[in-house]
Amino acid sequence: DAGVIQSPRHEVTEMGQEVTLRCKPISGHDYLFWYRQTMMRGLELLIYFNNNVPIDDSGMPEDRFSAKMPNASFSTLKIQPSEPRDSAVYFCASSFTGSPLHFGNGTRLTVT
Amino acid sequence: SQQGEEDPQALSIQEGENATMNCSYKTSINNLQWYRQNSGRGLVHLILIRSNEREKHSGRLRVTLDTSKKSSSLLITASRAADTASYFCATNTNAGKSTFGDGTTLTVKP
Repeated sequence: DAGVIQSPRHEVTEMGQEVTLRCKPISGHDYLFWYRQTMMRGLELLIYFNNNVPIDDSGMPEDRFSAKMPNASFSTLKIQPSEPRDSAVYFCASSFTGSPLHFGNGTRLTVT
Repeated sequence: SQQGEEDPQALSIQEGENATMNCSYKTSINNLQWYRQNSGRGLVHLILIRSNEREKHSGRLRVTLDTSKKSSSLLITASRAADTASYFCATNTNAGKSTFGDGTTLTVKP
């Protein structure tokens, strides 16, 4: 199994631009999580899905952030418009119910 | 706010020594997990302990869980330089939500 695949690995964009981060979870996993990691705030849970349905998006910082999971093998996290304070490493993780999370290698986002 | 809090924030030891990290959490949990993160990489699962378990072992890792105190500890015995990483605890609820603490940065000097 290739594990959780995230793209792009690095993204550099200018303030105000739209950013789309992509995630392919491990086949068969029924949970998908989006986290954001910064030095100041640590690892924050943004949103998670169960069977493609968003369960809890209380961690999404603002309306500028949106996430979708159109099918069991793909999810996106979109930021529009992006701001410098959105700079962070964004992780996607997937799991079976009650089982450990499998993380992707993350997308390092830099907004200038 | 994060569900779990680890201490210490940073730990530096010599190779061969044992390393102990602690995690406290706030609400009822289904299980608690420990993860490791090497610089620039995603988190990797180490060990899972369920709410009805008190202790679990895996190789050089020993995890304890005290649900009455809402705390857990991770012990790494006979540490190696390759154990240098950040270690995180994560709590999992019945709703499937997994929330991470701030992590402990472990440095093992050769």
